[in-house]
Amino acid sequence: EAQVTQNPRYLITVTGKKLTVTCSQNMNHEYMSWYRQDPGLGLRQIYYSMNVEVTDKGDVPEGYKVSRKEKRNFPLILESPSPNQTSLYFCASSPRQGPVPLHFGNGTRLTVT
Amino acid sequence: GESVGLHLPTLSVQEGDNSIINCAYSNSASDYFIWYKQESGKGPQFIIDIRSNMDKRQGQRVTVLLNKTVKHLSLQIAATQPGDSAVYFCAETGASNYKLTFGKGTLLTVNP
Repeated sequence: EAQVTQNPRYLITVTGKKLTVTCSQNMNHEYMSWYRQDPGLGLRQIYYSMNVEVTDKGDVPEGYKVSRKEKRNFPLILESPSPNQTSLYFCASSPRQGPVPLHFGNGTRLTVT
Repeated sequence: GESVGLHLPTLSVQEGDNSIINCAYSNSASDYFIWYKQESGKGPQFIIDIRSNMDKRQGQRVTVLLNKTVKHLSLQIAATQPGDSAVYFCAETGASNYKLTFGKGTLLTVNP
């Protein structure tokens, strides 16, 4: 089944403790992206990747890092999480960046205390 | 946990009625538009898309209308069912970099 898989689905952590949210897609997509979703603000792009080893900042990149060493994986790294990063995170992919739909994972709900 | 549906405009319809969800966009250069459905606890799911060279596109029980003059997009759902209850949001992208910009969404509730 074609899908975008995120792990974990739920994560509670404390301020300053480094964490990684994994994202994997099995559709051989070139383009991958991370979003955060907050009430009243909608989906905002954190980082995106056009292809392996090519990443760039989205609208809200502060406090986040990403890497794209393989085509299928695009982990999101929070080196020192803070409470304002408490949010619902989505990974998405598409065959390329262009007029094509994004395929989303089922989300990771992160709480930073 | 807090629902993504809080703080959103809401539309409540009776089962079997037609639903119309609206979206205004601001960028006159937007070239591509998508509607997504997001059910509680799930990621956004693609419904239908439309390019700016069209003003209407139909899918199964759904129709998207694009009015470029007033920068307005609508999603029509025919014979709405309880399973259609979700948050619906539009997204647009320009012709230059194709970065999607998402609307905040509308919560559709279907009453049996």
